[in-house]
Amino acid sequence: DAEITQSPRHKITETGRQVTLACHQTWNHNNMFWYRQDLGHGLRLIHYSYGVHDTNKGEVSDGYSVSRSNTEDLPLTLESAASSQTSVYFCASSPGAGEDTQYFGPGTRLTVL
Amino acid sequence: GQNIDQPTEMTATEGAIVQINCTYQTSGFNGLFWYQQHAGEAPTFLSYNVLDGLEEKGRFSSFLSRSKGYSYLLLKELQMKDSASYLCAVYAQYNFNKFYFGSGTKLNVKP
Repeated sequence: DAEITQSPRHKITETGRQVTLACHQTWNHNNMFWYRQDLGHGLRLIHYSYGVHDTNKGEVSDGYSVSRSNTEDLPLTLESAASSQTSVYFCASSPGAGEDTQYFGPGTRLTVL
Repeated sequence: GQNIDQPTEMTATEGAIVQINCTYQTSGFNGLFWYQQHAGEAPTFLSYNVLDGLEEKGRFSSFLSRSKGYSYLLLKELQMKDSASYLCAVYAQYNFNKFYFGSGTKLNVKP
């Protein structure tokens, strides 16, 4: 079955380290998204992509970057991890072309010490 | 910008009906989604409204009034497994088409 996966599921890192979170989908969806979820804030958009080599900043993009070299993957990189980036990160995808429902991966819980 | 409001928490009894409201102020409205999220899990899609009116899907229904900036999710015949957070998300064109999520309503279903 087609699916969307994230790895790792849990990560503990130290302040200042570079961290990359992986997201992989096998639906052949054009659109992919990264969100963070914190208590009291709901889901906030970090970066998104509408196709290969396309990336765009969301509302909380500072300190994060993404690249889209193929349809299936959208890795999220924290250039220099900060304690404020401790959160649960969700990747999502949608087909595009008028099909807008987003389907979410299982999430990655990141702790920055 | 976008402003989406939902109650933080609600409690209801097994077998009852509960209505979760969502109000929004947005530009470039293109639709409203409801997601269910169990603790520690990913959000899963429940419903989508783009036109005014009621969409029914089994025990769950969702209503939209675009002129009032208002939606609700109606859950009937509540079951214990319905205990979860319910996220209202507006799909809007503000720069690009994007989802804007409310903070979610935590529903506690009691026996």
